Amino acid sequence: GQSLEQPSEVTAVEGAIVQINCTYQTSGFYGLSWYQQHDGGAPTFLSYNGLDGLEETGRFSSFLSRSDSYGYLLLQELQMKDSASYFCAVFWGTGFQKLVFGTGTRLLVSP
Amino acid sequence: GAVVSQHPSRVICKSGTSVKIECRSLDFQATTMFWYRQFPKKSLMLMATSNEGSKATYEQGVEKDKFLINHASLTLSTLTVTSAHPEDSSFYICSAKRPADRYNSPLHFGNGTRLTVT
Repeated sequence: GQSLEQPSEVTAVEGAIVQINCTYQTSGFYGLSWYQQHDGGAPTFLSYNGLDGLEETGRFSSFLSRSDSYGYLLLQELQMKDSASYFCAVFWGTGFQKLVFGTGTRLLVSP
Repeated sequence: GAVVSQHPSRVICKSGTSVKIECRSLDFQATTMFWYRQFPKKSLMLMATSNEGSKATYEQGVEKDKFLINHASLTLSTLTVTSAHPEDSSFYICSAKRPADRYNSPLHFGNGTRLTVT
């Protein structure tokens, strides 16, 4: 089986930096992905880490440590529109086709 | 633009009736599609994997006879919620993979269907 644990909620103010953690347990591992979902909307892909280290994409960065089974998403220069739910995810199952999501973190950005 | 289309976006039905949700890949052939269910403020839970031309593979705890999945063509998968009950009210989302997608490729999601059973 697999489990991906995240903090349930994080709050921050505009312009700040916030880190959303993800610890995982999974049999077999093909990288950690991050998705953003606004209320009532579809998840949208943010980033992927296949190897250890930091991946940077604009204001968002993602980090992976395979030895610690841990990753995080770093959001900088927070904007109100960043208020959303964030999910880490791993591919799992036969052929590692199925994308399984973490418990999710609700980010609330205030003025 | 959207590469996966899901319809309807919202549906209200009476208890005991059946509801069909469609998921289409718009500009690619999706041999595999996935159906998820999401309760308010919760994560997306994988329900089943839909394979074109063969039976769907259901996750543990998902009732096959309750949630019928058909993947009759390379661009269309349908989820039918049979004999719906209020506890089936949820947000259902489909997704699809392009054949060439790798692990660092994003999964393409439909916009979801909000089902309310009264």
